[in-house]
Amino acid sequence: GQQVMQIPQYQHVQEGEDFTTYCNSSTTLSNIQWYKQRPGGHPVFLIQLVKSGEVKKQKRLTFQFGEAKKNSSLHITATQTTDVGTYFCAAQRWQTGANNLFFGTGTRLTVIP
Amino acid sequence: DAGVTQSPTHLIKTRGQHVTLRCSPISGHKSVSWYQQVLGQGPQFIFQYYEKEERGRGNFPDRFSARQFPNYSSELNVNALLLGDSALYLCASSLELHGYTFGSGTRLTVV
Repeated sequence: GQQVMQIPQYQHVQEGEDFTTYCNSSTTLSNIQWYKQRPGGHPVFLIQLVKSGEVKKQKRLTFQFGEAKKNSSLHITATQTTDVGTYFCAAQRWQTGANNLFFGTGTRLTVIP
Repeated sequence: DAGVTQSPTHLIKTRGQHVTLRCSPISGHKSVSWYQQVLGQGPQFIFQYYEKEERGRGNFPDRFSARQFPNYSSELNVNALLLGDSALYLCASSLELHGYTFGSGTRLTVV
């Protein structure tokens, strides 16, 4: 299988501070997806990036896909306590008959009120 | 519309037993994937099925097997359970080349 590494593993921020998590692969990816998992919950799909250099925004969240399609980042501006959870990137390498989705190691975000 | 439903929600089994976990995808979704998530780690890919055909298998022993039915629902079977199989088992369904929708999972405890 393929490996997708995320850093940092943990991040504690004061409410109102920004937060960024990074996702890196040694191989070229077909796409990147981002998921959020609240404590005790299941992963919830946030967004998919497909194009080289793509940037997408969802309110306070900004997602980027690297030019070489080997890395990605998620940036949250002015964190809120509702942002608490673990953020996972997940990647596919589209091939005929297979497009399995592999998850990164995740970044657990704690927001201190 | 109902989301992805998994059953049972919780299960306690003894070492050596077998278990069957069930998943119903979102209506219209033909792809079903299974993941194992150990506490504090990311979901680990087990299987993907599409139109009843296995499309991928993760690095899991042959004790793990799955199938997909004509109505696209799926079962994950695990034989000869080990303590290390204790985990949250997640099922996800999707349309081709789209994001995955996960069920709430089955929490399996092996004692």
